[in-house]
Amino acid sequence: DGGITQSPKYLFRKEGQNVTLSCEQNLNHDAMYWYRQDPGQGLRLIYYSQIVNDFQKGDIAEGYSVSREKKESFPLTVTSAQKNPTAFYLCASSPWGGQTNNIQYFGAGTRLSVL
Amino acid sequence: AQSVTQLGSHVSVSEGALVLLRCNYSSSVPPYLFWYVQYPNQGLQLLLKYTTGATLVKGINGFEAEFKKSETSFHLTKPSAHMSDAAEYFCAVSDRERSNYKLTFGKGTLLTVNP
Repeated sequence: DGGITQSPKYLFRKEGQNVTLSCEQNLNHDAMYWYRQDPGQGLRLIYYSQIVNDFQKGDIAEGYSVSREKKESFPLTVTSAQKNPTAFYLCASSPWGGQTNNIQYFGAGTRLSVL
Repeated sequence: AQSVTQLGSHVSVSEGALVLLRCNYSSSVPPYLFWYVQYPNQGLQLLLKYTTGATLVKGINGFEAEFKKSETSFHLTKPSAHMSDAAEYFCAVSDRERSNYKLTFGKGTLLTVNP
């Protein structure tokens, strides 16, 4: 089945710890995205990547880092600098091709909590 | 910058009643418009999108939306609500003129369907 796989489903972070959320897609999409979802806030863009080895900051990148070494993978690291990391994190991908009307496809999300 | 306003963070309807979820955007140039649905603890799924052409767009699960440029609106409707429609709905826009594909989401409307 083609799709986007996020793991783990639930993650707990201790004070001062970095944690990494995994996102893998087998849709052969060029573009990948990370969003943060808080209750009543909608989705806010953290980082996005339109091509391997390139990525751009979104609206709330502080305290987060990403890499895009492979087309299929776009891991997100929540660093200790992110003081309020508790949220639902969603990864998405789309067939970029230079078009802005492409649909984004979403994974099932990772819920991150602070211990 | 683009912005999206969803009027009503919570809408409650009876089973069989009309569903109307409101979405307005702010842009001098009509953007591309999307409606997504999110079931509890899941990712987002596309319901429908408007790019060009016919202003009444039909989507999955009996939903449709009408793009009204004069009102800068893209309201989502369904003639008869079903219990399975209970979910959170997000309106999103992307800018036609920018070279980077970014979706801006509204804050969401939670739809409750009462038996």
